[in-house]
Amino acid sequence: DVVMTQSPLSLPVTLGQPASISCRSSQSLVYSDENTYLIWFQQRPGQSPRRLIYEVSNRDSGVPDRFSGSGSGSDFTLKISRVEAEDVGVYYCMQGTHWPWTFGQGTKVEIK
Amino acid sequence: EVQLVESGGGLVQPGGSLRLSCAASGFTFSSYWMSWVRQAPGKGLEWVANIKQDGSEKNYVDSVKGRFTISRDNAKNSLYLQMNSLRAEDTAMYYCTRFSRGSLSNYWGQGTLVIVSS
Repeated sequence: DVVMTQSPLSLPVTLGQPASISCRSSQSLVYSDENTYLIWFQQRPGQSPRRLIYEVSNRDSGVPDRFSGSGSGSDFTLKISRVEAEDVGVYYCMQGTHWPWTFGQGTKVEIK
Repeated sequence: EVQLVESGGGLVQPGGSLRLSCAASGFTFSSYWMSWVRQAPGKGLEWVANIKQDGSEKNYVDSVKGRFTISRDNAKNSLYLQMNSLRAEDTAMYYCTRFSRGSLSNYWGQGTLVIVSS
C-alpha cells in the first residue's frame, strides 16, 4: 500500500499567520491518465471530513482562497496563507491513485 | 440538497455481524461511485470499500476482504455495508461518502458508530 507521511503532526499557529503542511507519498501519485490524485481534507472537531483540494491544487467550491495546494510526483504541500479560528481541526492528505486509497496520519492545527 | 444518512451502527460482540445502510437523496444516486470510509476513535481515516454506479465493480481494503460486502440498491437510493466476523479493530465511525477523485463535488454523511466489544 502507498504510505502517506505528513509533517508536522501538530501545528500551533498564531491567528493571521501562515501555516504549511507537508505530505509525502511512498510512490509517485501520477495516474495512467496523467492526473495526480492528491487530495486534502479538513476535519473540524466533531464533524465529518470535508474535501478542500483535489488533484494537488484545485480548490473545492466554497473553500476560501487562503487555502492552496502545490507539489508534484510524491511531494505535496497544503498552505493556509492566514490562519483563522475556523481553520482549527485535523488536516489529512490522501492519495486516490493506487488502490487502496490511503490517508496521511493527519496534522492537528490549533491556535496558539 | 444532497444528503447522506447512515444507520445501522451499534454495539456488537466479536464475531458478530452488522449491516450498515446509507440513504441518499438530492442527487441521481445511480450515476455515482459510492464509498465507505471509517475512523477509529481518536484515530485517522481509512478507506474501507467503494462500488461502481451499477455495482459491477467493488474494491476493498485488505483488512476487510472476505468479511465485509459493499452493495447498493439504486431503486432505493441506498448504499449498504454488510459486516461479518467483526473484530475489536473494526470499532469506528463509518462514513458513507459520494467521493470523486476529480472535480465532482464530494459529500459525506454524519457517520454511524460501530463498537465491537464483549
